[in-house]
Amino acid sequence: DQQVKQNSPSLSVQEGRISILNCDYTNSMFDYFLWYKKYPAEGPTFLISISSIKDKNEDGRFTVFLNKSAKHLSLHIVPSQPGDSAVYFCAANTGTASKLTFGTGTRLQVTL
Amino acid sequence: GAVVSQHPSRVICKSGTSVKIECRSLDFQATTMFWYRQFPKQSLMLMATSNEGSKATYEQGVEKDKFLINHASLTLSTLTVTSAHPEDSSFYICSAKGTGEQYFGPGTRLTVT
Repeated sequence: DQQVKQNSPSLSVQEGRISILNCDYTNSMFDYFLWYKKYPAEGPTFLISISSIKDKNEDGRFTVFLNKSAKHLSLHIVPSQPGDSAVYFCAANTGTASKLTFGTGTRLQVTL
Repeated sequence: GAVVSQHPSRVICKSGTSVKIECRSLDFQATTMFWYRQFPKQSLMLMATSNEGSKATYEQGVEKDKFLINHASLTLSTLTVTSAHPEDSSFYICSAKGTGEQYFGPGTRLTVT
C-alpha cells in the first residue's frame, strides 16, 4: 500500500525554467511533509518541509505547496539549474512520530 | 547541516556470512536512528527504528533475527545482516535524528555473492 505517491518517474526541464514535482498521499493523518534530493549511491539530502498548518513554504529557489483537501503537494524549483538534476523524494509523517513514509521518487533532469 | 556517516560504503560478501554496517552522527546526538533499504528504482523502505539504549522497532515483514540493530550510544547504531543471501543485496541507508530533522548517511551498497 503506497501511501505516498509520485506518479511521474521522470521529468526533463530546460535550464532557467520552472521544475514542478508532484506528490500525492492517501493517509489523512500525515501532517508534516518533506522533500529530499538524492544523487545515485548517496543518501538523501533534506531540501524543504511544510507543516499541515501551512499551504506554502519558500526557501530560495525552492517552494513547496500543500493542498490538504486534495492530499497533494508540489515542489517548485525556479530557476532550474543543471545541478538540480537528481532524484527527488517526497516524504510524510504523522504527529510527533519521526517515521517517514517516502514516495517512489521523480528523476529530474535539467538540460542546457 | 548535520553530518551522518556510514561505514563501509560498499561491501561484497559471500552467501551465508554476516555483515555489519555502522552509522554515526558526527556532530550531534541522535536519540533515534532509522535504517532504510532501497532497491533499484524503488523508494526508500523503512526497516526499523532504534532509540538509544532500547530495542529496535521493526517494520512489518522485516525479520528482526536477520537484521540485528544495536544503538549502543547517542552517536552510533549498527545494522548486522546475518546469514546474508543474494536477495539481501541492496542499498542500505541510515538516518539520525536529534532535536531537529532527520539527516541521512551516504548509504552502504551490499552485494551478496
